[in-house]
Amino acid sequence: EAGVTQFPSHSVIEKGQTVTLRCDPISGHDNLYWYRRVMGKEIKFLLHFVKESKQDESGMPNNRFLAERTGGTYSTLKVQPAELEDSGVYFCASSPAYNSPLHFGNGTRLTVT
Amino acid sequence: EDQVTQSPEALRLQEGESSSLNCSYTVSGLRGLFWYRQDPGKGPEFLFTLYSAGEEKEKERLKATLTKKESFLHITAPKPEDSATYLCAVKRDNTDKLIFGTGTRLQVFP
Repeated sequence: EAGVTQFPSHSVIEKGQTVTLRCDPISGHDNLYWYRRVMGKEIKFLLHFVKESKQDESGMPNNRFLAERTGGTYSTLKVQPAELEDSGVYFCASSPAYNSPLHFGNGTRLTVT
Repeated sequence: EDQVTQSPEALRLQEGESSSLNCSYTVSGLRGLFWYRQDPGKGPEFLFTLYSAGEEKEKERLKATLTKKESFLHITAPKPEDSATYLCAVKRDNTDKLIFGTGTRLQVFP
C-alpha cells in the first residue's frame, strides 16, 4: 500500500510569492488533514476534508491560505502571498474513517525568505 | 483551553536502560489519546490509541498507559533503533483534530 505522498519535499520562496503544496492520500481514504509545525512549536491542525468537503477549517491561520480537494482525491494547499511566519513543515495525513489513526506524509518544508 | 504537555523534552539512555516518557493533558471530553513516533525528516508514525483510564497497549519494547490526567510511554530495554521523537496527541469530543504536545526526543546509545 502506497503511503501519503507530499510534493515538493522542500520549497524556498521569497516573501510575497505564492506556493502550492500537494498531497496525495492513501487510496480510498476519505479523510484528509493538513497540519503544520513551525520552528520550536508543536504540530498544529489546519483543516480536515471529508471527501471533497471541508469538515473543519478552524485551524487555518488567515485568508492567505486556501485548501482544495478536487474530486475527493488529492489536495492542494496554496499560500498567497507568503509571509516569513509561514515558514515551517506542512504535513498531510489521511485516514479511512472518522476517529481512525492518521497516516502522515513526510511533509513539505517551506522556507520563506 | 485544551493542552498537552510532554516531559522530558529530551532523554538520553544507554542501550538496555528502561525509562518512561510522560504526557499530561487537559481536555474537555477526551475521545482518545494517541502516541506517534517521528524520525528525522519523516512524518509521525502511529503507535497506539488509548481511550479510557486504566487502558494499556503494548508493542514490542513499548507500553502505553492512560490515567485521567496523563499517559506514560514505557520503554523496556531500549535499543539504538528506538531513537526518535515520541509525540503525544489528544482528540476531544465532537472533533476529529489532533492536539499535539511538543514531543520527547529520545536517544539510545549502544
